[in-house]
Order: sequence, then structure tokens, then C-alpha cells
Amino acid sequence: EIVLTQSPGTLSLSPGERATLSCRASQSISANSLVWYQQRLGQAPRLLIYAASTRATGIPDRFSGSGSGTEFTLTISRLEPEDVAVYYCQHYGNSMFTFGQGAKLEIK
Amino acid sequence: QVQLQESGPGLVKPSQTLSLTCSVSGASVSSGSYYWSWVRQPAGKGLEWIGRVYSSGTTNYNPSLESRVTISMDTSKNQFSLNLTSVTAADTAVYYCARDRVIRMDVWGQGTTVTVSS
Repeated sequence: EIVLTQSPGTLSLSPGERATLSCRASQSISANSLVWYQQRLGQAPRLLIYAASTRATGIPDRFSGSGSGTEFTLTISRLEPEDVAVYYCQHYGNSMFTFGQGAKLEIK
Repeated sequence: QVQLQESGPGLVKPSQTLSLTCSVSGASVSSGSYYWSWVRQPAGKGLEWIGRVYSSGTTNYNPSLESRVTISMDTSKNQFSLNLTSVTAADTAVYYCARDRVIRMDVWGQGTTVTVSS
């Protein structure tokens, strides 16, 4: 089973700054199988990025994804207050989904 | 647009069966274009995928829950359901249903809180 480890656990930045969130897989995975979600407090998860770098419908271009192999990154280029959330990476393989433990983004 | 809505008891006694339904609007669960998944999240914790069902009736389950889970579909009502048997306090969580495009889940319900307690 693939284990996804996200870092940092919590990131605190100011509006307008750039956020970089990492997701490391326990073994090499296909980039096509790597997905990012945003979960605001009290809300359901929201699909942000799939296939490691493709933005979902309606997602601002401030959000971008990259990576390959075991290292994947979600970047938010210019933070806005509404980006406060927990971000999860997710892998799909062997007919099942696994999630990272989540990374909390705070805005100062 | 596609909307999903979970429903079911908010309180279940230990050792009993948790049963939830997801009602889908704006799409047909029998269309064959998507799977339909269940995900749960204990308070303050991360997401755990439970399993999914396809229009053919094919199911996939999280191995950690497989012995207790059944997911089924009612095409006449455009719904799919989750049954989780022999529940304990560890099954207390917010339960989400989601549209599953094989590799990603792109539409989610708002979630329903289920507490396991006597």
C-alpha cells in the first residue's frame, strides 16, 4: 500500500505570499494518480488538482501542481484569505484511494 | 449541476449497523460514466476512503474495512448506500458521498455526522 506523507503539517503565511505544500509517496507512483483537495473548515473536500498538475474546473490559476515519482508539490502563488484550509493529497491505485494526513494552511 | 446529499441516522448504537444513503441529482448513478464512493472523516482527523460502487454493481472496498462494508446502488431512486456492520466508537465520523471519476472524486456531498454511542 502506498503511504503519502505531507509536509509541513502547518504552514503560516501572509496574504500575497507563495505557499508550497509537499506530498511524498512511499514508492514511485504515476503522476496521473496524484490528486489534491482543499477542505475549508466545516466543508466537504473540494477537488483542486488531478493528474498531479491539471487544475479542476473553476480552480484559479493561483493553484498549481507539479512533481513526479515520489515527490509532488501543490503551490499557491499569491495567497488570499479564502485559501485558509487543510490540503490533502490523494493517490489512486489497485482500485483504492489513499490520502495523505493533510497540511493546514494558515493566513497571518 | 450534479449534487449529492447524504442521509441517515445520526446516532447508532455499538455493535449495530450504520446505514447511510446518498441521493444524487443532476446525474444518473446508472449512467456508467462514474463510480460512486463513500469517504469518512473522524472529527479533527484526515480522510479515509471506504469504498465505491459502479453502475454494473461492481464494488471496491478499503481492505481495512472490507469485512464490514457493503455499498450498493438503487437505480430506481438514483441513490447509492453504505452499510457498515458491527460499529464501534471508532466509526464515529463525518461520512461523505462523492462522485468518483476513477482516479479523482470531483463532486462531494456536504457530509453527515454519525456518532456511535449507547
